Amino acid sequence: QKEVEQDPGPLSVPEGAIVSLNCTYSNSAFQYFMWYRQYSRKGPELLMYTYSSGNKEDGRFTAQVDKSSKYISLFIRDSQPSDSATYLCAMRETGTASKLTFGTGTRLQVTL
Amino acid sequence: DGGITQSPKYLFRKEGQNVTLSCEQNLNHDAMYWYRQDPGQGLRLIYYSQIVNDFQKGDIAEGYSVSREKKESFPLTVTSAQKNPTAFYLCAIRQGPNTGELFFGEGSRLTVL
Repeated sequence: QKEVEQDPGPLSVPEGAIVSLNCTYSNSAFQYFMWYRQYSRKGPELLMYTYSSGNKEDGRFTAQVDKSSKYISLFIRDSQPSDSATYLCAMRETGTASKLTFGTGTRLQVTL
Repeated sequence: DGGITQSPKYLFRKEGQNVTLSCEQNLNHDAMYWYRQDPGQGLRLIYYSQIVNDFQKGDIAEGYSVSREKKESFPLTVTSAQKNPTAFYLCAIRQGPNTGELFFGEGSRLTVL
């Protein structure tokens, strides 16, 4: 079993929809949680960062962490075609020199 | 402007040849990383370096080598011992010293024929 599980998709939604992307994990020592967006043939770019449990909002994006369930989510409101990309969750333990453990990524397609 | 430069962007090599991928940064960060990305497998850590003249193996270091002679540069050599070298290689720097989020370069796609 992988330490971080992420549904690979593809997930196809119409423009304007609310998108929910999720990851589950097994390592209870993970404390830092991130979401990256990766366009085709490009490097990942950091979207959201959260420490421990709770919610964080940035514009159309909301990140949620539920450590009791070992479950993290990224919500995208009013989705746009430009949101079409692969979304990677990543997480790490405290004091591990930024050795991030990544999910496999979910491919999202927002259609007109 | 500041950033990470990976070169070449695309590279084709014959089986059995060593290949060196370049990663240069002008962001003055100490920690640098090399990841490999394969379809359906996410990103896997090859090597990382927290300071000049020091580096550590990641989860899949076999068949790879690195050097860190300058703060700005962290080249990765894919040796002939790497059994399945065709992949997308990503270099990153640690952007947040306490939080640890990574900032990635644009990647290098290596295809071994």
